[in-house]
Amino acid sequence: QVQLQESGPGLVKSSETLSLTCTVSGGSISSYFWTWIRQPPGKGLEWIGYIYNSWSTSYNPSLKSRVTISVDTSKNQFSLKVSSLTAADTAVYYCARGQWLRSHFDYWGQGALVTVSS
Amino acid sequence: NFMLTQPHSVSESPGMTVTISCTRSSGYIASNYVHWYQQRPGSAPTTVIFEDNQRPSGVPDRFSGSIDSSSNSASLTISGLKTEDEADYYCQSYDSNNHVFGTGTKVTVL
Repeated sequence: QVQLQESGPGLVKSSETLSLTCTVSGGSISSYFWTWIRQPPGKGLEWIGYIYNSWSTSYNPSLKSRVTISVDTSKNQFSLKVSSLTAADTAVYYCARGQWLRSHFDYWGQGALVTVSS
Repeated sequence: NFMLTQPHSVSESPGMTVTISCTRSSGYIASNYVHWYQQRPGSAPTTVIFEDNQRPSGVPDRFSGSIDSSSNSASLTISGLKTEDEADYYCQSYDSNNHVFGTGTKVTVL
């Protein structure tokens, strides 16, 4: 059974960079679309981006200038960085898996709340 | 880019049927698959319908999905409503290298 687990600081300061890691267990990190999705408190879901085949990435156009997704295959982990943070980046951040480009997200992490403070 | 608009909330009594719409703002709803997720408070979303009308194993057949090209929308129908169906529901689709989620619908079981 595939499991995903987010980790990283729960509180970051405005204008700084958020860094989160998703550890994948129960399966290989190869050949899937490893994805980050976020949800501000009380609001809907927003796709952030994905990494595929360890190097191919795609990002939400609204976040593209501030987001980087990378993978560490040796640790079966992938990571998210979001720079120039503001309070609007406060959200629960989920990592998830897509089996192919247009597929649904079949496995999700439990989510990590990140609060941006001034 | 496009948006997916859902009703903010729907409510119905146990045993009844609710239908949630998901209307695409531009482009064709049938051009890419629509998926549906259920999210209970404090939990991550889980898939209830994928690829327009497919149910993952373990999801009861009370959940069904469809596409209507005439209204450029997708629908999720929950029949025989149970108290455990009370949750937020999101549609999701894809176009031009961008995944888009619907605005979300809160289902209340009266």
